[in-house]
Amino acid sequence: QIALKESGPTLVKPTQTLTLTCDVSGFSLDTSGEGVGWIRQAPGKALEWLAVIYWHGNERYSPALKSRLTITKDTSKNQVILTMSNMDPVDTATYYCARRQGITMNYFDHWGQGVFVTVSS
Amino acid sequence: DIQLTQSPSFLSASVGDRVTITCRASQAISHYLAWYQQKPGQAPKLLIYAASTLKSGVPSRFSGGGSGTEFTLTISSLQPEDFATYYCQHLNTFPLTFGGGTKVDVK
Repeated sequence: QIALKESGPTLVKPTQTLTLTCDVSGFSLDTSGEGVGWIRQAPGKALEWLAVIYWHGNERYSPALKSRLTITKDTSKNQVILTMSNMDPVDTATYYCARRQGITMNYFDHWGQGVFVTVSS
Repeated sequence: DIQLTQSPSFLSASVGDRVTITCRASQAISHYLAWYQQKPGQAPKLLIYAASTLKSGVPSRFSGGGSGTEFTLTISSLQPEDFATYYCQHLNTFPLTFGGGTKVDVK
């Protein structure tokens, strides 16, 4: 049974760094073909892809946010961590992690429940 | 960046209706497109990938088509549990992007 679950602060202040953890189960982060991505959704808005990390450790980021994002994985703990620096109220959103699949493509076949993060002083 | 434009943004329909949603890409993306369903307060769920491949367990009333720049998601006979928002996503070049969404609600 594949499952992902996000955790982290639900309230951060402007300029702070957000750290979110995605705990995964039912698959291994170092198995060929596996990957985990982060996607966010501001209230009432569409989905926005942020970053993805692959089984071999390669990472890709949204160019719009690349300077503020870091994605890492800890295979021994079955965790993927996303940090986003210099948080702003416009970053208020639900943040999802999701398992990435596909040989020449990147679709997300299992999602966590999401964590809603408010950015406010 | 590849832009995805969904139409319509809102769609009112009745149970039993045939519903078609369109996703247009700003440049050709071959068959590299997925469709997701999202209900209020829930995470998105993958329905279709590679434009027309149904994810295991997804009802066969859902189907996807198209290639290049124009894609469709069709629900052959709308069921009560299908009232939701649908998103397309392109799959193979970065940045990955999603369409703006199509909300299907009750007529």
